[in-house]
Amino acid sequence: SQTIHQWPATLVQPVGSPLSLECTVEGTSNPNLYWYRQAAGRGLQLLFYSVGIGQISSEVPQNLSASRPQDRQFILSSKKLLLSDSGFYLCAWNPDRAFYEQYFGPGTRLTVT
Amino acid sequence: AQSVTQPDIHITVSEGASLELRCNYSYGATPYLFWYVQSPGQGLQLLLKYFSGDTLVQGIKGFEAEFKRSQSSFNLRKPSVHWSDAAEYFCAVGGTSYDKVIFGPGTSLSVIP
Repeated sequence: SQTIHQWPATLVQPVGSPLSLECTVEGTSNPNLYWYRQAAGRGLQLLFYSVGIGQISSEVPQNLSASRPQDRQFILSSKKLLLSDSGFYLCAWNPDRAFYEQYFGPGTRLTVT
Repeated sequence: AQSVTQPDIHITVSEGASLELRCNYSYGATPYLFWYVQSPGQGLQLLLKYFSGDTLVQGIKGFEAEFKRSQSSFNLRKPSVHWSDAAEYFCAVGGTSYDKVIFGPGTSLSVIP
């Protein structure tokens, strides 16, 4: 069966520090991958999506970036965190062309201090 | 452009009572529709989905939803709510290119014992 992992589960980082969040999917190949952010009490904001290795599309201009070095690995990064980067980061995947059906990871709670 | 609205920001129901969460979408063609549930601090879990066919779809945890094209709605229902159903519920619609899904703002459900 397919599973999706995210780590770390929680992270507290000072303003100006770098960030690296990792997402890995098991049990499938060539999935579409997504990064979302959920601010406190808010809905989901799509940040990046990827339809293949090295293929990244950005939805919102900001100081975050994403990379997909392997088929089932999706990384969210920042060189310098801002206070406004605090939130709950969710990774999701869907099987290639599987009618938009997305499955979510457990999330990473990021607090920027 | 696609959009999803969930008119109720917060709903409170008594345990054992019936539940209906509203969702309205805007999309020109037949949409792909989803309901997700999110418990505090967790990722989103897919409750049910509608692609085509029977307009009444059954999901997990005793939930069902009905697609009404004339009303552009996809309301979620449950005949008897349990305390464990307290969570955030998101309606979503897919149908653009690149397999992106548009999420509604969410409805927070509280259950009174």
